[in-house]
Amino acid sequence: AIQMTQSPSSLSASVGDRVTITCRASQDIRNDLAWYHQKPGKAPNLLIYAASSLQNGVPSRFSGSGSGTDFTLTISSLQPEDFATYYCLQDNSFPPTFGQGTKVEIK
Amino acid sequence: QITLKESGPTVVKPTQTLTLTCTFSGFSLTTPGVGVGWFRQPPGKALEWLALVFWDDDKRYSPSLNDRLTLAKDTSKNQVVLTMTNMDPADIATYYCAHSNPTTCFDIWGQGTLVTVSS
Repeated sequence: AIQMTQSPSSLSASVGDRVTITCRASQDIRNDLAWYHQKPGKAPNLLIYAASSLQNGVPSRFSGSGSGTDFTLTISSLQPEDFATYYCLQDNSFPPTFGQGTKVEIK
Repeated sequence: QITLKESGPTVVKPTQTLTLTCTFSGFSLTTPGVGVGWFRQPPGKALEWLALVFWDDDKRYSPSLNDRLTLAKDTSKNQVVLTMTNMDPADIATYYCAHSNPTTCFDIWGQGTLVTVSS
């Protein structure tokens, strides 16, 4: 199975900060990567698919980049509702695999 | 509007079989490319993919759980049923189902259902 290494595992940031989360795949996954955020007790919510495509209804402060093995999720200006845990998911090959998550906390 | 909802027991005993149902609306599992996937998340831990059934009844399972999982779809009822045999306390988790399509991956998720394994 393809391993997804996500970093950092947690970070503290303030409202208005620019935040970057990375995911590295153990092999080439082209652009078959999605990003989700998840709030406590809630289901994951799709933010980005195909590495850089913004899901309908997701604010433009979220952006994704990368291809091959290295990917980045950027939040350009962190908002209070963005404090959550973020996961990457590769769907290039079975089984789909997630990163271990990045918890974004309030500084 | 696509919606999915998981249902099933909240508690099962060790060694029992868990049966979860995903009831969905807003799409058809006969549409080419569409699928329904299952995931789980132990308390405080990361998400894990379990299984996926496609519109053409092609089924994929997690290699680590393959011998314990079975999927069945009922297109007339808009349901997908996941069974997991030989439940163990290590299987305590919130179980989710999600809509899948080739473009946007797993885009819409159910609210999840917490399953506890206890005698």
